[in-house]
Amino acid sequence: DSGVTQTPKHLITATGQRVTLRCSPRSGDLSVYWYQQSLDQGLQFLIQYYNGEERAKGNILERFSAQQFPDLHSELNLSSLELGDSALYFCASSNLDRGTLQETQYFGPGTRLLVL
Amino acid sequence: TQLLEQSPQFLSIQEGENLTVYCNSSSVFSSLQWYRQEPGEGPVLLVTVVTGGEVKKLKRLTFQFGDARKDSSLHITAAQPGDTGLYLCAVNQGAQKLVFGQGTRLTINP
Repeated sequence: DSGVTQTPKHLITATGQRVTLRCSPRSGDLSVYWYQQSLDQGLQFLIQYYNGEERAKGNILERFSAQQFPDLHSELNLSSLELGDSALYFCASSNLDRGTLQETQYFGPGTRLLVL
Repeated sequence: TQLLEQSPQFLSIQEGENLTVYCNSSSVFSSLQWYRQEPGEGPVLLVTVVTGGEVKKLKRLTFQFGDARKDSSLHITAAQPGDTGLYLCAVNQGAQKLVFGQGTRLTINP
């Protein structure tokens, strides 16, 4: 158990719909990352938040958005869903190890999204 | 073009055999990470290699970073069914943004 929780575990929806995926980071972790894993594209970075602020963006579609709340949990919103959005969506969290100055990302179990 | 090329893409071997999987790039990296992902789970960090030529061991797993810091290998000795999973290499591309290879899907048959 990584300490990162994600809900829901599975989500089935239809094209054109909007869904929200939720992530709770490990206690004390300030950074939250979202990744998409599909069969053809592999595991791809979408976006990072640090203490409520967006820090880095990857190949995230304009139809997708995210936010991190004051309690540090994060939500990924996917709208106008298409068949190709079917994938596993992972959240990860990290914090800086002041001794090594390194950050290790701990991944949640993921949300499996199926768009029909 | 993938930044990180992993090979082989799939590998199925018998319990007790040895194997090596590779992660190659034309770019130089300051560090490289290996993850293992089991079905229904997120990736779990196995090791981070930092120095060119560095070798790290984790029980029966041996990780090596190439001298030029462009490639890495993972060698498993006497593979066991519990080693089954997707092995991913990854590099940090700034602001902790991880870029992953496509992975090697390893199956160890009893």
